[in-house]
Amino acid sequence: DGGITQSPKYLFRKEGQNVTLSCEQNLNHDAMYWYRQDPGQGLRLIYYSQIVNDFQKGDIAEGYSVSREKKESFPLTVTSAQKNPTAFYLCASSMAGGLGQPQHFGDGTRLSIL
Amino acid sequence: AQSVTQLDSQVPVFEEAPVELRCNYSSSVSVYLFWYVQYPNQGLQLLLKYLSGSTLVKGINGFEAEFNKSQTSFHLRKPSVHISDTAEYFCAVTWNSGNTPLVFGKGTRLSVIA
Repeated sequence: DGGITQSPKYLFRKEGQNVTLSCEQNLNHDAMYWYRQDPGQGLRLIYYSQIVNDFQKGDIAEGYSVSREKKESFPLTVTSAQKNPTAFYLCASSMAGGLGQPQHFGDGTRLSIL
Repeated sequence: AQSVTQLDSQVPVFEEAPVELRCNYSSSVSVYLFWYVQYPNQGLQLLLKYLSGSTLVKGINGFEAEFNKSQTSFHLRKPSVHISDTAEYFCAVTWNSGNTPLVFGKGTRLSVIA
């Protein structure tokens, strides 16, 4: 079945460490997105990419970085510059850059600071 | 900036009672509207979408929503809820002004009481 796979499901990070969250899709979607979810805050956009080798900052990009070397993959790195990284991270994809196309979501990665 | 407001952060309702979850958005220009549901520790699942045409949209699990352009609203309804409907519900909007990602509301937690 086609879908979006996020790994790992749970991730722990020590202070000062970078950590990379994986997102892979086999839906042949052009666009991919990363969101951060905190209780009572809804989903906030970190980065998105509408085509390979191109990506744009979302509303809360500081302390995060991404790459889009392959259509299927959009990894997110949480750097040590992100002062409050504990959150639930969701990856999504869609056929095009948002014009009426629904986004499909992975099951998320929960990141915690040790 | 465009915004989405979900007026209720929590909605408790008795089983088999009707429910309405409210959503308003900030602009009346052309929009695409979505409702998603999230069960604990999972990603978001699409319930329904409005792209054009009939203002009453039917989705999965017996949910429906009505697009009201003059009131810039897209409220979600179900005539009779079940325990299994307990979840968080998100309204999302994209504006037909370019390749813009979805903007999400902060969510409404629906709790169905037996």
